[in-house]
Amino acid sequence: QVELVESGGRVVQPGGSLRLSCTASGFTFNTHGMHWVRQAPGKGLEWVAAISFDGGDEYYGDPVKGRLTISRDNSRNSLFLQMSSLRPEDAAVYYCAKDFTAFPGRGLIDYWGLGTRVTVSA
Amino acid sequence: QSVLTQPPSVSAAPRQNVTISCSGSSSNIENNYVFWYQQLPGTAPKLLIYDNNKRPSEIPDRFSGSKSGTSATLAISGLQTGDEADYYCATWDSSLSAGVFGGGTKLTVL
Repeated sequence: QVELVESGGRVVQPGGSLRLSCTASGFTFNTHGMHWVRQAPGKGLEWVAAISFDGGDEYYGDPVKGRLTISRDNSRNSLFLQMSSLRPEDAAVYYCAKDFTAFPGRGLIDYWGLGTRVTVSA
Repeated sequence: QSVLTQPPSVSAAPRQNVTISCSGSSSNIENNYVFWYQQLPGTAPKLLIYDNNKRPSEIPDRFSGSKSGTSATLAISGLQTGDEADYYCATWDSSLSAGVFGGGTKLTVL
């Protein structure tokens, strides 16, 4: 069965950096696009970023462009989110999610991880 | 402000039927597949409907989806107390080259 396990969430100061990781199993990782979606406390889901099956195409939401970078290592079945210049409004649970297809935009999310919490506070 | 518009809340009694609307535009709903997710309290979201109206095998047929133009609808029949959750519509926006979610609808089963 598909399993997505996020890690790396912690308390970080405003302006700081953080790297989230997601380890995937139960499916052929290198044939699927991947996403990061976040949820601030008490708020709805917000799409953050996506990457194609081979890492050749990256997509970002406007609030995170230039500050967050999505990447993947298909040899390790892993997805990453490098976060820099963090702001209080970036505080959220970050979910790793699998795309139906190889290219985000042709489908969307079919499986979600349990999430990892990022807190941005001095 | 979400790109996709959903009502903040809906409610109905057990065994009744309810619909949740999702309104978008030509750059998202009209020309891309719509997906619906259910988020039970304190849990991660789960796929409910994909490709506008298809159900994963484990989702009961009480849940159905439809799309017309720039709007989509999730219908739930025979409501159960276990259906109390937040429901989100989502799709790809071709102009933004980004995924977009609705603001979410909280379903209360009275």
